[in-house]
Amino acid sequence: DAGVIQSPRHEVTEMGQEVTLRCKPISGHNSLFWYRQTMMRGLELLIYFNNNVPIDDSGMPEDRFSAKMPNASFSTLKIQPSEPRDSAVYFCASSFGLAGGLIEQYFGPGTRLTVT
Amino acid sequence: GESVGLHLPTLSVQEGDNSIINCAYSNSASDYFIWYKQESGKGPQFIIDIRSNMDKRQGQRVTVLLNKTVKHLSLQIAATQPGDSAVYFCAESYGQNFVFGPGTRLSVLP
Repeated sequence: DAGVIQSPRHEVTEMGQEVTLRCKPISGHNSLFWYRQTMMRGLELLIYFNNNVPIDDSGMPEDRFSAKMPNASFSTLKIQPSEPRDSAVYFCASSFGLAGGLIEQYFGPGTRLTVT
Repeated sequence: GESVGLHLPTLSVQEGDNSIINCAYSNSASDYFIWYKQESGKGPQFIIDIRSNMDKRQGQRVTVLLNKTVKHLSLQIAATQPGDSAVYFCAESYGQNFVFGPGTRLSVLP
């Protein structure tokens, strides 16, 4: 199994630009999670989906952030417009189990976003 | 200006010694716990889990201990190796709720 796939691995963009991060979960997994990790705040859960439906988006910082999961094998996290404080490593993770809950999550390699 | 970052607890151990990483969890109703390891430049990786009906679980070179009375979880690594250097996170869950701890950095000294 290829594991969770994220693209791009690195993204450098200018403030005000739109950024789209992509994630392909492990085949057969039914839950997908988006995290942000920074030195300041550690690992933060942004949103998670179960069976393609958003369950908890309370961690999404503001309206500039949006996430979609159009099907079981693809999700996007979009930031529009991007700001320098959005610079972080964004992780996608997937798991198989009941709705929500913490079960064994498989993390992707992350996307390192730098907004200048 | 001065930047204030998340101050991770750091544990430094000599190669070959045993390591004990501790975690205080927040919800007395949490019934499932996982330890993750995050190496530099990578995503967190599952190490070992334990359910609340157990107080100890062993894996290969790792042991997790759960003390529900004081809401404490620990990860013991036997014969610590340089490859064990990483940040270790505990995570707790109850139903649809879950929380990751802030992490502990383990540094293995030669």
